[in-house]
Amino acid sequence: GEDVEQSLFLSVREGDSSVINCTYTDSSSTYLYWYKQEPGAGLQLLTYIFSNMDMKQDQRLTVLLNKKDKHLSLRIADTQTGDSAIYFCADGYGNNRLAFGKGNQVVVIP
Amino acid sequence: GAVVSQHPSWVICKSGTSVKIECRSLDFQATTMFWYRQFPKQSLMLMATSNEGSKATYEQGVEKDKFLINHASLTLSTLTVTSAHPEDSSFYICSATSVGAQPQHFGDGTRLSIL
Repeated sequence: GEDVEQSLFLSVREGDSSVINCTYTDSSSTYLYWYKQEPGAGLQLLTYIFSNMDMKQDQRLTVLLNKKDKHLSLRIADTQTGDSAIYFCADGYGNNRLAFGKGNQVVVIP
Repeated sequence: GAVVSQHPSWVICKSGTSVKIECRSLDFQATTMFWYRQFPKQSLMLMATSNEGSKATYEQGVEKDKFLINHASLTLSTLTVTSAHPEDSSFYICSATSVGAQPQHFGDGTRLSIL
């Protein structure tokens, strides 16, 4: 099956940049996604990148994709306290399904 | 746009009760809806994929008679946990997508607690 790996915890000071990494195994992925989950809530789509792109920037978010190494990263510039959450990368595969990583908890220290 | 509403947000009920969870796409037609289960501090586990007007496709290990899924319209899918027991307690999340390789949009989840 699909396998998506993430590191588990990141602590960052407010105003600094955060970088979250993810690796995946499916070489046929069309899209890769980043979702944010706040406590007790569902998932909020942050951004996604098409597999033939290397980089996508959306305001404070920058996604980098290394397709050769199957490595995806999300950089959050000027991290705010409201960015504290769990971040999931997800790999889109057959029939629009998603394989999620284990999630990375980001804690922003004021 | 792309709002998915899930109801109820929290359910507490006795063992043996059946519980129905609704998932609605409010501003788009959801040809496909997905149901996930999430245990504390864990990732989302896909339970089933539901296409409008068709029978749901369940992932391996998910009991279809236990978790009944209905997707009768392009804006509504329901998950019924039949004869729920404490081990069914979990956070259930739905998502919806429209035609083609569109991102999934998630509801806010339902916390189910079985006593």
